[in-house]
Amino acid sequence: GAGVSQSPSNKVTEKGKDVELRCDPISGHTALYWYRQSLGQGLEFLIYFQGNSAPDKSGLPSDRFSAERTGGSVSTLTIQRTQQEDSAVYLCASSFFTGRAFFGQGTRLTVV
Amino acid sequence: GIQVEQSPPDLILQEGANSTLRCNFSDSVNNLQWFHQNPWGQLINLFYIPSGTKQNGRLSATTVATERYSLLYISSSQTTDSGVYFCAALDSNYQLIWGAGTKLIIKP
Repeated sequence: GAGVSQSPSNKVTEKGKDVELRCDPISGHTALYWYRQSLGQGLEFLIYFQGNSAPDKSGLPSDRFSAERTGGSVSTLTIQRTQQEDSAVYLCASSFFTGRAFFGQGTRLTVV
Repeated sequence: GIQVEQSPPDLILQEGANSTLRCNFSDSVNNLQWFHQNPWGQLINLFYIPSGTKQNGRLSATTVATERYSLLYISSSQTTDSGVYFCAALDSNYQLIWGAGTKLIIKP
């Protein structure tokens, strides 16, 4: 596609429910990043995919968080048993190898 | 891992003023990128600048890799320039390391 696309734009969920966030990177981009940003804060790294290499999962805050990237393209970030502290904007970015990174518009997650 | 520090943390300017934002990094990096996050949260890639100088309209950036810093210049500021400016450096593990950002407010 023309840009990085994330869905949904907004998600409100009840505490304890599972959620899935989707990221469609720019076509042909090999690298995909997930970040989390709380209000007024910087970017918190979650996970990084690069081609067929094993993903760097070092930023995932707990085992409730997981991510997959199918066919080297679309990625899904799953949060199980959501907690209120998971509320944030989840941002996805893609790049061609180590080139310029482009961001999606983000998914605003609210856990009530 | 490398550390990325940005200064100043906050900057308030009158419309029409010029500004310089700084990004220091603690070790050699593979590339350096500047981003603008607008008040609606969208992150826009401004420059991919591992070294040298680039210009795009009223914005320009210079990276001096040997001295481990990069500068972002904004000339003739407009209210639409308001937001947070981030720099991010690619470390030896090909991981983007982010600064904490400079929050810029341009007053009309």
